[in-house]
Amino acid sequence: SQTIHQWPATLVQPVGSPLSLECTVEGTSNPNLYWYRQAAGRGLQLLFYSVGIGQISSEVPQNLSASRPQDRQFILSSKKLLLSDSGFYLCAWGQGSFTGELFFGEGSRLTVL
Amino acid sequence: AQSVTQLGSHVSVSEGALVLLRCNYSSSVPPYLFWYVQYPNQGLQLLLKYTSAATLVKGINGFEAEFKKSETSFHLTKPSAHMSDAAEYFCAVRVNSGYSTLTFGKGTMLLVSP
Repeated sequence: SQTIHQWPATLVQPVGSPLSLECTVEGTSNPNLYWYRQAAGRGLQLLFYSVGIGQISSEVPQNLSASRPQDRQFILSSKKLLLSDSGFYLCAWGQGSFTGELFFGEGSRLTVL
Repeated sequence: AQSVTQLGSHVSVSEGALVLLRCNYSSSVPPYLFWYVQYPNQGLQLLLKYTSAATLVKGINGFEAEFKKSETSFHLTKPSAHMSDAAEYFCAVRVNSGYSTLTFGKGTMLLVSP
């Protein structure tokens, strides 16, 4: 069966520090991969998605970037964190099927101080 | 562009009462619709999905949703609430971009009292 892992689960970082959140999927090949951010009362905001190695699409201009160095690995990064980057980050994968359901990781809570 | 609107950021019910969480969609094409549940500090879990087959969709944990084209609605229901149903619920619509991205509503927090 397919599984998705995200880490770290919790992260507290000072403003201006770098960020790296990692996500890996097991049990499937060539998945579509996604990073969403969740802020209280604002639902989920799609940040990045990827349909293949090295292929990244950004939905929202921001202080963050994403990379896909391997088929089942998706990384969210920042060179210098802002206070506004605080939130709950969710990685998800989908098989690109027409029905389009996504399967989510457990999330990473980032607090920028 | 496809979008969903969830009516009510919080819904409170008593244990054993009917659960009704509302979702209305906007789509220029036949939509694919989803309901997800999120427990505190966890990821989202798929409850059910509508993919243009039966309009009444049954999901996990006793939940179901009915697609009503005339009302552009996809409300989530459960006949009898349980304490363990307390969570945040998200309605989502597939964006017709070819890449299977989903657009989510802002969520409804379900509170269940004994």
